[in-house]
Amino acid sequence: GAVVSQHPSWVICKSGTSVKIECRSLDFQATTMFWYRQFPKQSLMLMATSNEGSKATYEQGVEKDKFLINHASLTLSTLTVTSAHPEDSSFYICSARDPGSGSPLHFGNGTRLTVT
Amino acid sequence: QKEVEQDPGPLSVPEGAIVSLNCTYSNSAFQYFMWYRQYSRKGPELLMYTYSSGNKEDGRFTAQVDKSSKYISLFIRDSQPSDSATYLCAMSETGGGNKLTFGTGTQLKVEL
Repeated sequence: GAVVSQHPSWVICKSGTSVKIECRSLDFQATTMFWYRQFPKQSLMLMATSNEGSKATYEQGVEKDKFLINHASLTLSTLTVTSAHPEDSSFYICSARDPGSGSPLHFGNGTRLTVT
Repeated sequence: QKEVEQDPGPLSVPEGAIVSLNCTYSNSAFQYFMWYRQYSRKGPELLMYTYSSGNKEDGRFTAQVDKSSKYISLFIRDSQPSDSATYLCAMSETGGGNKLTFGTGTQLKVEL
């Protein structure tokens, strides 16, 4: 079964509004979660690393003020796309690793964001 | 040059065929190699996870890593229509799969 749950699975919003996406680890605690973005027919690109109890680490070229990440608990990380624009329309996917299993990353089912 | 190169396809094969999917990479520090399957509008699902060079088999799937050539492969035997998906290779320098670098994915269609 799924080990990482992401919500919502899709969202449509108007330009200028903000959207929050949730990522939860199921049955394990994740001190670190990862947020990826995927454009059609392109690879997953790491946006940021979400660290529980501290600031997120953003990849080069990703605006931290636009993509707000909060990792307030060991099972929940949120990504807020602020003042969304049509070019932010994409597939956002979170991932986490169960440190107790030794396995690599498991991904959520993604959130398709469409900004009109 | 991208760090990881993967033929985007699409690749179309008949049911029962053996499928070969490949990635090449340039970063010699990569030590952990993964294959993910992604259905449309879904997140990637981990299929295979290997460390360093060698082969790993799991059911109909076999992963091969050749670090000397910076080349990895995924073989699917007795392919089924349900295998139709996009297959992504991914790599990392450190264990646990943190900070993965992905290929662009190969779209596979297995036809009846």
